Amino acid sequence: AQTVTQSQPEMSVQEAETVTLSCTYDTSESDYYLFWYKQPPSRQMILVIRQEAYKQQNATENRFSVNFQKAAKSFSLKISDSQLGDAAMYFCAYNTDKLIFGTGTRLQVFP
Amino acid sequence: DVKVTQSSRYLVKRTGEKVFLECVQDMDHENMFWYRQDPGLGLRLIYFSYDVKMKEKGDIPEGYSVSREKKERFSLILESASTNQTSMYLCASSLWEDGYTFGSGTRLTVV
Repeated sequence: AQTVTQSQPEMSVQEAETVTLSCTYDTSESDYYLFWYKQPPSRQMILVIRQEAYKQQNATENRFSVNFQKAAKSFSLKISDSQLGDAAMYFCAYNTDKLIFGTGTRLQVFP
Repeated sequence: DVKVTQSSRYLVKRTGEKVFLECVQDMDHENMFWYRQDPGLGLRLIYFSYDVKMKEKGDIPEGYSVSREKKERFSLILESASTNQTSMYLCASSLWEDGYTFGSGTRLTVV
């Protein structure tokens, strides 16, 4: 069965600094998607970034980038120039026919 | 703007009551999903549906059922609510495996 592991329940970062959130997954599939979702206190799940497994190039979206290591089944999220609005729960998720989530990392951003 | 709407943001029900959580999407998506979210456990898949009148069990279907009579509506049913079903419930829809849209969640309390 596919599983997603986020080993950091909480992380903190100073405003304007860089932080990396870790995620590993387990699968026997070769073609799949990986996602990072952000959930602020409003509870709305917001897609941060998406990676297709067959693409070797790491996805980037403005201040957000991933380090995708397919062989190691690792998919970490790097947030550069952290802002107060980045404070939220972050979920890593894996998808083939359905979305499977990790347990989440709560990110605090200090001024 | 694409939308997934959950009928209630907060709900309080009594033990033993039959509870309906409604989810409607306006994107003509084939696939719809129900998750429950608990602290430290992330989001866990309850049921999903790939088409009208079709349903598949997720990872934690016990105590729940679903109904999909129309493409845009996916209902989660708690036949006899119990206190261990107190949780946040999130509905999502997707067209393809590369993109999911979430509702803003229903926080259900069973007393």
